[in-house]
Amino acid sequence: EAQVTQNPRYLITVTGKKLTVTCSQNMNHEYMSWYRQDPGLGLRQIYYSMNVEVTDKGDVPEGYKVSRKEKRNFPLILESPSPNQTSLYFCASSAQNSNQPQHFGDGTRLSIL
Amino acid sequence: GNSVTQMEGPVTLSEEAFLTINCTYTATGYPSLFWYVQYPGEGLQLLLKATKADDKGSNKGFEATYRKETTSFHLEKGSVQVSDSAVYFCALSDLGGTSYGKLTFGQGTILTVHP
Repeated sequence: EAQVTQNPRYLITVTGKKLTVTCSQNMNHEYMSWYRQDPGLGLRQIYYSMNVEVTDKGDVPEGYKVSRKEKRNFPLILESPSPNQTSLYFCASSAQNSNQPQHFGDGTRLSIL
Repeated sequence: GNSVTQMEGPVTLSEEAFLTINCTYTATGYPSLFWYVQYPGEGLQLLLKATKADDKGSNKGFEATYRKETTSFHLEKGSVQVSDSAVYFCALSDLGGTSYGKLTFGQGTILTVHP
């Protein structure tokens, strides 16, 4: 089954404690991205990756890092989380030059106290 | 830059009522347009899409037509069901004709349908 898997689904943590949200896809997609969803703002892109070792900033990259060492994985790293990063996060992937829809993970709800 | 504006919610309807959720966009070039749906506790699912002007996307009784002259992509359904209760997002893709690349989302519209 084609899917994008995020872990953890829920996390409550404290300010300054480094955390990583993992994202893995099994569709051999080149393009992967991270979004955050906040009430009244919809989804906003944080970072994206066109392929292995190629990453770039989206609209709201401050406070986040990513890496793309393997095609299937695209972890989101919060080196020093702050309360304004409390949000619902989604990972997505899609195939290059394809008309197939993007696939989204089920989301990770982060609460930073 | 690109932007998407949706009608503000929440929208509350009775079962079998007619639904319209307005969506307008600003974009350079020729974007693809999408409606995504998010059921409680779940991720986003593509509901329908249109990749060029005058295309009509349809799925599960929902329809939307890509109107370039009015830069709109309004979502409609003739008779809603309780199971349609969800959050609906209008979105556009930077790369016209494909679903690839960055998606720009509207703010989302919460729909609640009562029996």
